[in-house]
Amino acid sequence: DAGVIQSPRHEVTEMGQEVTLRCKPISGHDYLFWYRQTMMRGLELLIYFNNNVPIDDSGMPEDRFSAKMPNASFSTLKIQPSEPRDSAVYFCASRPQGSGELFFGEGSRLTVL
Amino acid sequence: GENVEQHPSTLSVQEGDSAVIKCTYSDSASNYFPWYKQELGKGPQLIIDIRSNVGEKKDQRIAVTLNKTAKHFSLHITETQPEDSAVYFCAGTDNYGQNFVFGPGTRLSVLP
Repeated sequence: DAGVIQSPRHEVTEMGQEVTLRCKPISGHDYLFWYRQTMMRGLELLIYFNNNVPIDDSGMPEDRFSAKMPNASFSTLKIQPSEPRDSAVYFCASRPQGSGELFFGEGSRLTVL
Repeated sequence: GENVEQHPSTLSVQEGDSAVIKCTYSDSASNYFPWYKQELGKGPQLIIDIRSNVGEKKDQRIAVTLNKTAKHFSLHITETQPEDSAVYFCAGTDNYGQNFVFGPGTRLSVLP
């Protein structure tokens, strides 16, 4: 099993540009989570999906952030327009129904200049 | 909502010594407490977890204890090795993790 796959691993962009982060969860996992990690705020849950349906997006910072899960094997997190304070490592994680274990991808490190 | 605090923020131990990391939580409804280890450049990985109906759980050199009355739980690593050096996160949640709340993390350094 390849695990949770995220792309890109690194992204450097300029303020105002659109950023799209991608995630492929582990096959068969019903839940998908997007987290943001910074030194100041630690690991923050942004949004999670159950069977492709967004369940809780209360952690999404503002309207500039949006996430979609068009099918069970793909999700995107989009930031438009990006700002320097969005610089962070963004993690995608998935887990199967009935289990508490989150399986994290290796993260996408975003730098907004 | 749940609030999880974690101490210490950094911890250095000599190889072979024990390390203890402590967390407290606020929501009495929380019933599942995992510990994750994050190595440099990687995502967090579950190392051990405990449910609220158990007071202690052990897996080789790693153990977790839970005190529901006091709302705190601890990670114990014995006979530490250099490969234990990482950032450790505790978390609390109810209902098997519909919404994990992670602690701020502890950076553990095991000195050879």
